Amino acid sequence: QVQLVESGGGVVQPGGSLRLSCAASGFRFSSYVMHWVRQAPGKGLEWVAFIRYDGSKTYYGDSVKGRFTISRDNSKNTLYLQMNSLRVEDTAVYYCAKDLDTGFDYWGQGTLVTVSS
Amino acid sequence: SYELTQPPSVSVSPGQTARITCSGDALPKQYAYWHQQKPGQAPVVVIYKDSERPSGIPERFSGSSSGTTVTLTISGVQAEDEADYYCQSSDSSGSYVVFGGGTKLTVL
Repeated sequence: QVQLVESGGGVVQPGGSLRLSCAASGFRFSSYVMHWVRQAPGKGLEWVAFIRYDGSKTYYGDSVKGRFTISRDNSKNTLYLQMNSLRVEDTAVYYCAKDLDTGFDYWGQGTLVTVSS
Repeated sequence: SYELTQPPSVSVSPGQTARITCSGDALPKQYAYWHQQKPGQAPVVVIYKDSERPSGIPERFSGSSSGTTVTLTISGVQAEDEADYYCQSSDSSGSYVVFGGGTKLTVL
């Protein structure tokens, strides 16, 4: 069955960097677009970024453009999110999700990122 | 930027029908998805591509589309359906993904 397992979350100071990973299994990872979505404490879901199946194109939400980079390693069935210049407002649970025609059909369990001094 | 609009809350009694709407200008061109999220849990897809139901999702969940509005209908609501529900779609180009603000379903 499809499994998505995020890791790499933690506490980081404002202005710092963090890299999240999402290990995928149970499907042909290299054939699917993949997304990152986040949820700030007590708030709604916010799309962060997606990457095409071969990594050739990436797309970002307005609030993270220029600071975050989505990437993938199809040989390792792993999705990444490099987060730089982190702000307090980036504090959230970060989920990876598998794409189905610009929507999602599977979600991971999430990893918490806390940006605080 | 593109937005999807949902009511903040819907309340129904057990056994009644709950309807949650979501409006957006690009919905006639792009599929809508509905995600259920219970406290402390990751979201789960309950409807994909406007009206398709994933395996394992009860038949009481259904989706429909009409023009710029999509609707999630839960027939015969049960206490376990109490959750936040988010609609999700993309802009007309398919390069920008958006969520509605979420609807809290309360089962009275």
